Amino acid sequence: DSGVTQTPKHLITATGQRVTLRCSPRSGDLSVYWYQQSLDQGLQFLIQYYNGEERAKGNILERFSAQQFPDLHSELNLSSLELGDSALYFCASSVGRETYNEQFFGPGTRLTVL
Amino acid sequence: AQSVTQPDIHITVSEGASLELRCNYSYGATPYLFWYVQSPGQGLQLLLKYFSGDTLVQGIKGFEAEFKRSQSSFNLRKPSVHWSDAAEYFCAVGGDYKLSFGAGTTVTVRA
Repeated sequence: DSGVTQTPKHLITATGQRVTLRCSPRSGDLSVYWYQQSLDQGLQFLIQYYNGEERAKGNILERFSAQQFPDLHSELNLSSLELGDSALYFCASSVGRETYNEQFFGPGTRLTVL
Repeated sequence: AQSVTQPDIHITVSEGASLELRCNYSYGATPYLFWYVQSPGQGLQLLLKYFSGDTLVQGIKGFEAEFKRSQSSFNLRKPSVHWSDAAEYFCAVGGDYKLSFGAGTTVTVRA
């Protein structure tokens, strides 16, 4: 158990819908990262928040957004969903904001868009 | 731009045999290098990491990796594989602001 929790574990929805994925980092970690894992794209970095502020952006679509709240939990919002958005979404957390910090991954949320 | 190549998509190894997983990276500066393991239905777990210093790095579960700057490689090894090592392994390079992962190598362990 990494100490990172993600809810829900599974999500099934329809095209055009909007969903919210939630992540609680390990106690004491200030950074939260979001990743998308799919068969065709592999594991892709989406976005990082550090202590409530957006720190880095990767291959995140404009239809996707995230935020980190004062209690440090984070939410990833996916809207106007398409079939291609079906994937495993991971949240990770680390103590610091630099890439050399070990990232602890949650178990993931599997999103299926029908 | 940073990138990682894992040339082997799938490796099958007998229990007790040695294992080597290949990783080649591309990054302009001195990289931060990582190996993660993902068991079915689980998140990723860090096996080991390299930042600087000794080029042979020891990790958890009996794994080690060697950084070779001249070959831009960071190969993962284990002398004797256990059935519980069956999983997917990811090499990653940490650049200026993100981790970039390779496509992964799936390891199957046969009895």
